[in-house]
Amino acid sequence: SQQGEEDPQALSIQEGENATMNCSYKTSINNLQWYRQNSGRGLVHLILIRSNEREKHSGRLRVTLDTSKKSSSLLITASRAADTASYFCATDDDMRFGAGTRLTVKP
Amino acid sequence: SQTIHQWPATLVQPVGSPLSLECTVEGTSNPNLYWYRQAAGRGLQLLFYSVGIGQISSEVPQNLSASRPQDRQFILSSKKLLLSDSGFYLCAWSNGNSGNTIYFGEGSWLTVV
Repeated sequence: SQQGEEDPQALSIQEGENATMNCSYKTSINNLQWYRQNSGRGLVHLILIRSNEREKHSGRLRVTLDTSKKSSSLLITASRAADTASYFCATDDDMRFGAGTRLTVKP
Repeated sequence: SQTIHQWPATLVQPVGSPLSLECTVEGTSNPNLYWYRQAAGRGLQLLFYSVGIGQISSEVPQNLSASRPQDRQFILSSKKLLLSDSGFYLCAWSNGNSGNTIYFGEGSWLTVV
């Protein structure tokens, strides 16, 4: 089974609000990645954070990693309707994915 | 740059008919290749992965099979489709040059009727 598990399963917010989704994993990792999937499309890689990093930014994305809690969070600031998608995490070279978080941003 | 092509994009097949989905990767060599399936509104299920020509690992026993006749070609097949085979199929690749990042194709929608 996959190591990364996303939470919540679904999230609905208004445009302009921030969206936070979480990923928990079971064993020690070297890195963790977040992916995005628009409906009916393939997954697209968003960001990678290494185990020696605590926070990483990319545009409106902010990823944190807490290795002591074996968890990561993805924050999307000032969300837009175009951010509506499913978001997945994956650890190290694990090729398996969880159910993801389905984010809906209402205009 | 690397690209991944997957086809057909959509298909409707009767129960009991055969299936062949094809995937090719360009711009890289000796990639790891993957086939995933995604039921409507659900997560991804890894079906097969391959680390080299002729080397196929199966994750879930089922009536599907995969083959890798060439370094950058990955084929998903079935001799007789079941209704439960309906879903969204995604091909993907990764290799050491891409780190651990997996790159996905655009997917194939299969409806078995």
